[in-house]
Amino acid sequence: NAGVTQTPKFRILKIGQSMTLQCTQDMNHNYMYWYRQDPGMGLKLIYYSVGAGITDKGEVPNGYNVSRSTTEDFPLRLELAAPSQTSVYFCASSRDSNSPLHFGNGTRLTVT
Amino acid sequence: EDKVVQSPLSLVVHEGDTVTLNCSYEVTNFRSLLWYKQEKKAPTFLFMLTSSGIEKKSGRLSSILDKKELFSILNITATQTGDSAIYLCAVQTNRDDKIIFGKGTRLHILP
Repeated sequence: NAGVTQTPKFRILKIGQSMTLQCTQDMNHNYMYWYRQDPGMGLKLIYYSVGAGITDKGEVPNGYNVSRSTTEDFPLRLELAAPSQTSVYFCASSRDSNSPLHFGNGTRLTVT
Repeated sequence: EDKVVQSPLSLVVHEGDTVTLNCSYEVTNFRSLLWYKQEKKAPTFLFMLTSSGIEKKSGRLSSILDKKELFSILNITATQTGDSAIYLCAVQTNRDDKIIFGKGTRLHILP
């Protein structure tokens, strides 16, 4: 099993550009999460999903959008990139609400 | 607003020392507390705690939860340089399915 796979690993965007961070998991997990981690900080929850067709806002959703059309995929969309969105983005999944998170290896995004 | 606070934020010790990392929380309708270790990339799971007073142990690492005082500690005995990492504490509530993280403790073990 590949677990949680994130692409790309690195990306540089110009201010105002848009992009989609991809996340896919092959563990048939219902729950999926997107976090961002700024230098010296913990993880901040952006959006999460408890199953296909269901998404909810986390702590810092502004500037982002998500969709969950399948159990496997949970892409994160940045519409108008801003320097404040420079961060490392982690996707994670869990089987259910009583199970620990499995993390992908992250996407390092720089907006200049 | 739900809150998870870890202390210290940074810690440097010598190999062989014992360290205690702290995590306090203020959340509505607590479900579980989780500890993760983050080295270069993705956090890896250490412990999930749901009940007060029951110690979870894995090798030199152990953790315990106090639901009355709203905190948890993570102990590492006989530290090794491979224990150098960021240790993250997270809390999940029954109200929704969010998992909220603290800022982490950056631990550095000197040889």
